[in-house]
Amino acid sequence: QKEVEQNSGPLSVPEGAIASLNCTYSDRGSQSFFWYRQYSGKSPELIMFIYSNGDKEDGRFTAQLNKASQYVSLLIRDSQPSDSATYLCAVNGDNDMRFGAGTRLTVKP
Amino acid sequence: DAGITQSPRYKITETGRQVTLMCHQTWSHSYMFWYRQDLGHGLRLIYYSAAADITDKGEVPDGYVVSRSKTENFPLTLESATRSQTSVYFCASSERSALYEQYFGPGTRLTVT
Repeated sequence: QKEVEQNSGPLSVPEGAIASLNCTYSDRGSQSFFWYRQYSGKSPELIMFIYSNGDKEDGRFTAQLNKASQYVSLLIRDSQPSDSATYLCAVNGDNDMRFGAGTRLTVKP
Repeated sequence: DAGITQSPRYKITETGRQVTLMCHQTWSHSYMFWYRQDLGHGLRLIYYSAAADITDKGEVPDGYVVSRSKTENFPLTLESATRSQTSVYFCASSERSALYEQYFGPGTRLTVT
């Protein structure tokens, strides 16, 4: 069973702080890594994807990938109340994409 | 540009009935996927399709049937609905394979009584 693990949270941070979301995966052959944001009652929305080891930045979001440790993370800088959502980590399989159960983030004003 | 749409958005049906959930995308993406999302399980893949007339099972295919006669449509049929199939169903599409980003429809909330 190829697993993607996330801490379910809830993770609570004050407005303006950095939120750090973590994900581990079991399949060493995985090549593509994704972060989705899902608001309550809505569908998942792609935030970022990363394919290579290291950091990838997009605005307030930074994805970090360490294939040796089978670890991918998402940093949200200057967190806003509108960032409050569940964040899903996804990793490619042979022909599919495996999702973690998600981490619920709450940003308090 | 409508993107990816699903219908119905909400459905209540009885145990044993057949129900079909529709998915339509306007991007001409090759790949389409059906997921179910349940508390405690996250998103689980039911079926996927690499192209018209090419479909394959995902993690939880039992009790479901799919077809894809046209690139833009990917209906999911529950042949004889059970209470355990009460869930939120998401359709997604991708320009290429599972190596690349997927875009999700708005979802269908299905309740089986």
